[in-house]
Amino acid sequence: IQLTQSPSLLSASVGDRVTLSCKGSQNINNYLAWYQQKLGEAPKLLIYNTNSLQAGIPSRFSGGGSGTDYTLTISSLQPEDVATYFCYQYYNGWTFGGGTKLELK
Amino acid sequence: QIQLVQSGPELKKPGESVKISCKASGYTFTDYAMHWVKQVPGKGLKWMGWINTYTGKPTYADDFKGRFVFSLEASASTANLQISNLKNEDTANVFCARGNSRYFDFWGPGTMVTVSS
Repeated sequence: IQLTQSPSLLSASVGDRVTLSCKGSQNINNYLAWYQQKLGEAPKLLIYNTNSLQAGIPSRFSGGGSGTDYTLTISSLQPEDVATYFCYQYYNGWTFGGGTKLELK
Repeated sequence: QIQLVQSGPELKKPGESVKISCKASGYTFTDYAMHWVKQVPGKGLKWMGWINTYTGKPTYADDFKGRFVFSLEASASTANLQISNLKNEDTANVFCARGNSRYFDFWGPGTMVTVSS
């Protein structure tokens, strides 16, 4: 299963509502997670099973979608959210999307 | 708290071997799988495979069959990855990650492997 993330680069302002997209090449049945990776750090789990918020992650992060199309939304962008975001499917094997780099405008 | 501590960076020549360790703490090691993930600097992530920490059975992704070996030192709560006959394209940051119902909930900090003559 291939995962395509869009956009590859996103510029937004503090306080903006930001939505990242992840599209699978086939149905991934909600077995989708989102990770945040800051420069030089390990990825951090944000969302699993499409919309379950990992413990300790701020509530401004939310996930949604079904079938082949999934989203990660940040309700009010904060400076510390600057990072690359990866989606990841675990329905059939394990594959990652190519990432969306989120920067401040 | 849950931690995965990985061994330090490695600089190797083509044809050599390397062994990376991942020591877990803060949970029962054999209750969770351990996965390995490769990241070429500036690029995305690629799943390498996983090891069942209870049985010791490894499973390798297609691109990581042959030169890659996952092993355990269960008494030390440690998972290992050995790569033999290193090639330039093995240069990458390699992460261990705890498997929780198939997704990865905790990651190690990564071990940078550089292969250069």
